[in-house]
Amino acid sequence: AQTVTQSQPEMSVQEAETVTLSCTYDTSESNYYLFWYKQPPSRQMILVIRQEAYKQQNATENRFSVNFQKAAKSFSLKISDSQLGDTAMYFCAFRETYGGATNKLIFGTGTLLAVQP
Amino acid sequence: DTEVTQTPKHLVMGMTNKKSLKCEQHMGHRAMYWYKQKAKKPPELMFVYSYEKLSINESVPSRFSPECPNSSLLNLHLHALQPEDSALYLCASSPLRDREPTDTQYFGPGTRLTVL
Repeated sequence: AQTVTQSQPEMSVQEAETVTLSCTYDTSESNYYLFWYKQPPSRQMILVIRQEAYKQQNATENRFSVNFQKAAKSFSLKISDSQLGDTAMYFCAFRETYGGATNKLIFGTGTLLAVQP
Repeated sequence: DTEVTQTPKHLVMGMTNKKSLKCEQHMGHRAMYWYKQKAKKPPELMFVYSYEKLSINESVPSRFSPECPNSSLLNLHLHALQPEDSALYLCASSPLRDREPTDTQYFGPGTRLTVL
């Protein structure tokens, strides 16, 4: 069974600094999707970034980028120039490609990020 | 537009009440989901609908009854809930390709449910 592990329950970063959130996963599949979702105190789950496993190039979205290491099954999220609005719970999630009718996302336990002024 | 809406935002109900949660999307997505989320925990999948048909029920108690009346709307009917059912209920949707869900799920803002 697939599992997703986020080993950092809480992190703190100063405004304008860079922070990296860790995520590892376990799967026997060769093709799959990985996601980072952000959930601010307002509680809406917002997609931050996605990565397709067959693409070697790391995904980037403005200040957010990932370091995808397929062999190591690692998928870390880097947030550059941290802003107060980045304060949120961050969930790493995994989905198999063509997972049948389920499209079940496997979530990690989350990392609570606090950006300090 | 990647918007999923949910109503109500907050709901307080007694254990003998019947209430419904509503979810709507106009992105043309044909897969819709209900999740339950406890505080500081990841979402737990409850139900999946594909082409308005229930495709997955993750062993959810029968006091939760989902309904998908059309391709844009998803309801969750609640009856005889327990206090431990208090949680944030999230709806999500995703496109379908070749009758299988594609990758990205888009979430609504959730309904905060309190059962007294």
